[in-house]
Amino acid sequence: AQSVTQLGSHVSVSEGALVLLRCNYSSSVPPYLFWYVQYPNQGLQLLLKYTSAATLVKGINGFEAEFKKSETSFHLTKPSAHMSDAAEYFCAVRGQAGTALIFGKGTTLSVSS
Amino acid sequence: DAGVIQSPRHEVTEMGQEVTLRCKLISGHNSLFWYRQTMMRGLELLIYFNNNVPIDDSGMPEDRFSAKMPNASFSTLKIQPSEPRDSAVYFCASSLVGGGLSLDTQYFGPGTRLTVL
Repeated sequence: AQSVTQLGSHVSVSEGALVLLRCNYSSSVPPYLFWYVQYPNQGLQLLLKYTSAATLVKGINGFEAEFKKSETSFHLTKPSAHMSDAAEYFCAVRGQAGTALIFGKGTTLSVSS
Repeated sequence: DAGVIQSPRHEVTEMGQEVTLRCKLISGHNSLFWYRQTMMRGLELLIYFNNNVPIDDSGMPEDRFSAKMPNASFSTLKIQPSEPRDSAVYFCASSLVGGGLSLDTQYFGPGTRLTVL
């Protein structure tokens, strides 16, 4: 069985500050991990994915995430927040190829000027 | 290249009516997923297909829900009869399984916002 827990349903940062969105996973098989972003009234857009090739994964818009097996974590970070980063972020886990994603509850990121 | 296309984008209907949601996969993709998003339950899988074959429909709430893939590039999700608790945003996503470097990343459509009165 697989599951994802996102710690913090809402995170607020100032523009230019570090963004840290937390995700912990549980998986009985080697996991594939994903971060998606959802802007208001839009679908989900892939930010980045972990596929075991490298533990530090770089994605779009300056985001990156580090896979830590010992901590079962896959936290999303960005060194400097921008107003346009305000959105909802979802962490997801998947097992073997072709199977469905299991999503966390999501974290809403607010960025203030 | 066009992404996943969903129609309608918004649907308002009355309880008891039949609702049909439509999804067109990205050209060349062979897997199709239907997800539902609500405030209470978040994003959850309803059903998914590989090569037009339903693989897992354990997320389909009840017999009122049915999904089909009449061809390799198109899917429908039907609710009959609809109920107010079906109100949600319904997303479909497509991927290419066995596509090598793509590693079957799921690409999402814009969603259909369904309101059942």
